[in-house]
Amino acid sequence: QVTLRESGPALVKPTQTLTLTCTFSGFSLSTSGMCVSWIRQPPGKALEWLALIDWDDDKYYSTSLKTRLTISKDTSKNQVVLTMTNMDPVDTATYYCARILLQGGAFDIWGQGTMVTVSS
Amino acid sequence: QSALTQPRSVSGSPGQSVTISCTGTSSDVGGYNYVSWYQQHPGKAPKLMIYDVSKRPSGVPDRFSGSKSGNTASLTISGLQAEDEADYYCCSYAGSYTSYVFGTGTKVTVL
Repeated sequence: QVTLRESGPALVKPTQTLTLTCTFSGFSLSTSGMCVSWIRQPPGKALEWLALIDWDDDKYYSTSLKTRLTISKDTSKNQVVLTMTNMDPVDTATYYCARILLQGGAFDIWGQGTMVTVSS
Repeated sequence: QSALTQPRSVSGSPGQSVTISCTGTSSDVGGYNYVSWYQQHPGKAPKLMIYDVSKRPSGVPDRFSGSKSGNTASLTISGLQAEDEADYYCCSYAGSYTSYVFGTGTKVTVL
């Protein structure tokens, strides 16, 4: 059974750096074609794609956020980490991680999401 | 990269069919056969309903179907049921630089 679970702080202050961890099971990120992505959703708003890392450690970022985002993986721990710098209240959202079987393909399995509020 | 355009809401009575459009550009929807659709109930994570324009994952009812023409993709729900009431999002691959773009979302109401 494939599962993903997001973890991280529920509250961060403006200008701080957010670090989120996606811990997954049921697949290996060293398998050719496998990818893990981060997507967010502000309250009452649409989904927004953020970043992706693939089995070969190639990384891709949203063009509008790429200067603030870093994605990395620890294959031995089955974890993918996303950091977002200089947090702002507009970054308040539920952050999801999701699996992709082949780059270009769909997000077939999602975590339950973690809500992050940016406030002083 | 601009979000794909979806109608804000669609509605139908039980048993009817509804279609949700998803309009992009030749750089995303029109350029790749990598359009997917997600169903999201309130407070829940999105669920994959359609991938690669028209393919259904195992367990998704065949009432859900997808298609694409030019820069516009569509999701059709036939035989609408109460449990289909949810938000629906389209998503398209947009190349190795931009990667992915989501739609604006559509709320489906079962009357």
